[in-house]
Amino acid sequence: NAGVTQTPKFRVLKTGQSMTLLCAQDMNHEYMYWYRQDPGMGLRLIHYSVGEGTTAKGEVPDGYNVSRLKKQNFLLGLESAAPSQTSVYFCASSIQGPNTEAFFGQGTRLTVV
Amino acid sequence: GENVEQHPSTLSVQEGDSAVIKCTYSDSASNYFPWYKQELGKRPQLIIDIRSNVGEKKDQRIAVTLNKTAKHFSLHITETQPEDSAVYFCAASFTGGGNKLTFGTGTQLKVEL
Repeated sequence: NAGVTQTPKFRVLKTGQSMTLLCAQDMNHEYMYWYRQDPGMGLRLIHYSVGEGTTAKGEVPDGYNVSRLKKQNFLLGLESAAPSQTSVYFCASSIQGPNTEAFFGQGTRLTVV
Repeated sequence: GENVEQHPSTLSVQEGDSAVIKCTYSDSASNYFPWYKQELGKRPQLIIDIRSNVGEKKDQRIAVTLNKTAKHFSLHITETQPEDSAVYFCAASFTGGGNKLTFGTGTQLKVEL
């Protein structure tokens, strides 16, 4: 039982490049989330999903897109990376929404130069 | 939307002393208040949570108190140990709140020998 796994762990992008972050969970959780963590700002919700085939905007969705084609996977895409998107990205899942424990992935450190 | 404020941003204590971290929230409908611990370079992990029908919850050296009238909740760590050194995040959510868990900005706790 691996829990929540993110790929990749580190990435450096040039401004304007695109990339996709993959999150996979093997706990059969309905809800999945993407957060970004910046110094002094805590964890801010980018997008989330309440089940397979659904997505919704969080607190800071601009510049990101997501897809949840399979229940176990939640993809975060950056179409045209900007230096402001330099951050540590965490994926999380929970069995039944924000009032239940969130299990986090190990994080992806993204640098946009 | 929900706003969670967390204080202090940094806290240094001597080993064996107690540590207290405080959070306030803005939405009186919030009913779930978890605390996450994030060790350096690691993922956040739930350490304790409390729901709005309970005023206090304790788990060994960790306790959380909730004051719904004042809309604040606190994390108490007694007999601190070096392994308690980490960043601690409070959070708040409520059923029907757009499926969002709002995090505070974090407290860096350092336990000195």
